[in-house]
Amino acid sequence: QVQLVESGGGVVQPGMSLRLSCAASGFTFNNYAMHWVRQPPGQGLYWVAVISFDGTTQYYGDSVKGRFTISRDNSKNILFLQMNSLRPDDTAVYYCARPPVGGDQIDNWGLGTLVTVSS
Amino acid sequence: AIQMTQSPSSLSASVGDRVTITCRASQGIRNDLGWYQQKPGKAPNLLIYGASNLQNGVPSRFSGSGSGTDFTLTISSLQPEDFAIYYCLQDFSYPWTFGQGTKVEI
Repeated sequence: QVQLVESGGGVVQPGMSLRLSCAASGFTFNNYAMHWVRQPPGQGLYWVAVISFDGTTQYYGDSVKGRFTISRDNSKNILFLQMNSLRPDDTAVYYCARPPVGGDQIDNWGLGTLVTVSS
Repeated sequence: AIQMTQSPSSLSASVGDRVTITCRASQGIRNDLGWYQQKPGKAPNLLIYGASNLQNGVPSRFSGSGSGTDFTLTISSLQPEDFAIYYCLQDFSYPWTFGQGTKVEI
């Protein structure tokens, strides 16, 4: 079955960087675009970024554009999110997510990894 | 970015009630909208895609409608397991955007 396992979260100071990883299994990774979605504690969902199946195209949410970079390694079935110039409002659970077969929206989610930006 | 405005932000209902949640887009998005249910400490779960298509395994008491800018999620007869937060998500154009959520409480 589809498994998405995020890692790399933790506590970091404002202005610092962090890289999240998502290990994918149970499906043909290089057939799917992949997304990151985040959720600040006690708040709603925010779509962060997407990368095409082959890694050639990326789009970002307005709040992270220019600071975050999504990438993937299709040889290792891993999705990444490089987060630079972190701010306290980037504090959230970060989910790795996959769309359904042949469609849009998201039907598979990881468990999430918590990123806390605090001095 | 397209703004998605959900209403109400919360509602109180009883088991057996019919519940309606609406989502309005700041511009037309065809039928490129999904609805999600999220329970505490869990990832969201896709209920509806393409505005009105029921995701596999989702009970038929959930339905979606709408096109263009105005969309509705209806729960025909609220069950105890339906108390949760519901979100809409537009996938018409990037960046994708979520509504702010509707908390359905007892």
